[in-house]
Amino acid sequence: DQQVKQNSPSLSVQEGRISILNCDYTNSMFDYFLWYKKYPAEGPTFLISISSIKDKNEDGRFTVFLNKSAKHLSLHIVPSQPGDSAVYFCAASDRGGGSNYKLTFGKGTLLTVNP
Amino acid sequence: EAGVAQSPRYKIIEKRQSVAFWCNPISGHATLYWYQQILGQGPKLLIQFQNNGVVDDSQLPKDRFSAERLKGVDSTLKIQPAKLEDSAVYLCASSPGTGGFNTEAFFGQGTRLTVV
Repeated sequence: DQQVKQNSPSLSVQEGRISILNCDYTNSMFDYFLWYKKYPAEGPTFLISISSIKDKNEDGRFTVFLNKSAKHLSLHIVPSQPGDSAVYFCAASDRGGGSNYKLTFGKGTLLTVNP
Repeated sequence: EAGVAQSPRYKIIEKRQSVAFWCNPISGHATLYWYQQILGQGPKLLIQFQNNGVVDDSQLPKDRFSAERLKGVDSTLKIQPAKLEDSAVYLCASSPGTGGFNTEAFFGQGTRLTVV
């Protein structure tokens, strides 16, 4: 049972345009959501997060939107740059349970930004 | 600040052999995780330590996998005996883990294991 789903295995966009990566989740106990970026042969690196008490969090070119009623979040990258080409993982955590910060990951979306 | 260190980077072994991976988390981080990432999948948590105690090992195949965290710092993950389906990247991550709400996990570069 996959609790975090990224239904698009890949996405290709032109440099300068917007990239929108989507993520759906099924566990209503999740209260903290993260996006990680992964280059080949490297570990995932943290990009941006959002807690369930918010519906938007912005950091430079990256914005994450959360729609709790739809159990859906999205990552917007504007403008997209070739260096953004990587695999993006959506992850979620149930932090209301105390000290267990276990992350559940989606399968990832490969973003390719074409010059 | 030094990141999460893992070794080795790559390992090739034959099935039924044993293998061990090592992880040194970010200094001061109380929580340490081992994740398994099979090609085309997202990372899957194998085991989570809080200091030197196990918090979650529900997805660890305990008949062949074992892990320990000595003195609440470094950790080793062992597979004995390995199977072909254990071929994956093994990622170690750490987080401050105690207190606070917005504490993300920081990952090492991973160990790519190939079982032949």
